[in-house]
Amino acid sequence: AQKITQTQPGMFVQEKEAVTLDCTYDTSDPSYGLFWYKQPSSGEMIFLIYQGSYDQQNATEGRYSLNFQKARKSANLVISASQLGDSAMYFCAMRGLSGGSNYKLTFGKGTLLTVNP
Amino acid sequence: NAGVTQTPKFQVLKTGQSMTLQCAQDMNHNSMYWYRQDPGMGLRLIYYSASEGTTDKGEVPNGYNVSRLNKREFSLRLESAAPSQTSVYFCASSEPAVQYEQYFGPGTRLTVT
Repeated sequence: AQKITQTQPGMFVQEKEAVTLDCTYDTSDPSYGLFWYKQPSSGEMIFLIYQGSYDQQNATEGRYSLNFQKARKSANLVISASQLGDSAMYFCAMRGLSGGSNYKLTFGKGTLLTVNP
Repeated sequence: NAGVTQTPKFQVLKTGQSMTLQCAQDMNHNSMYWYRQDPGMGLRLIYYSASEGTTDKGEVPNGYNVSRLNKREFSLRLESAAPSQTSVYFCASSEPAVQYEQYFGPGTRLTVT
């Protein structure tokens, strides 16, 4: 079984500052992947970044980086230089990658980020 | 490329009515999924299809049926709608052998009165 915990229901950040969104996880799979998705007010789900449990380096995609600490079972999303358009709901998710794992994603409950001008 | 498309975008049903939500993808993905999103609950998997010809239950399958019509299309049917099925429904697809992320459709907002 897999579980994702996002403990911050809401976060506020000033424009141009960095913000960290927390995500902790639990799984019995020896190999797994961690994802972050963004959901703006328009409702679509936008894939942001992926980290494999076997990856030695933290993933980065433009202004997004994933602070992966395997021993602590955390996969925090860092957004640098926040923009007004970053205001959205952010979901952390994971799936097992081991043989026999199904392909389903398990999602956290999300963090609502508001970027203030 | 349209990606993942869903119809309808909005629907209002009365309790006991039936309907089918349609999903299609043009990315030649093998796997397709149906999720529901409720306030404060995140997304929960209803059913998925790992490949054409197979379907499996997810976390919350009760009250739903699915059909993987072909590689492109994956439909979700509510046989007798209940107010508890009021939700936003998302279809997604992925190609697990090549990439791990799932691509989502725009969602269907369903209200059951």
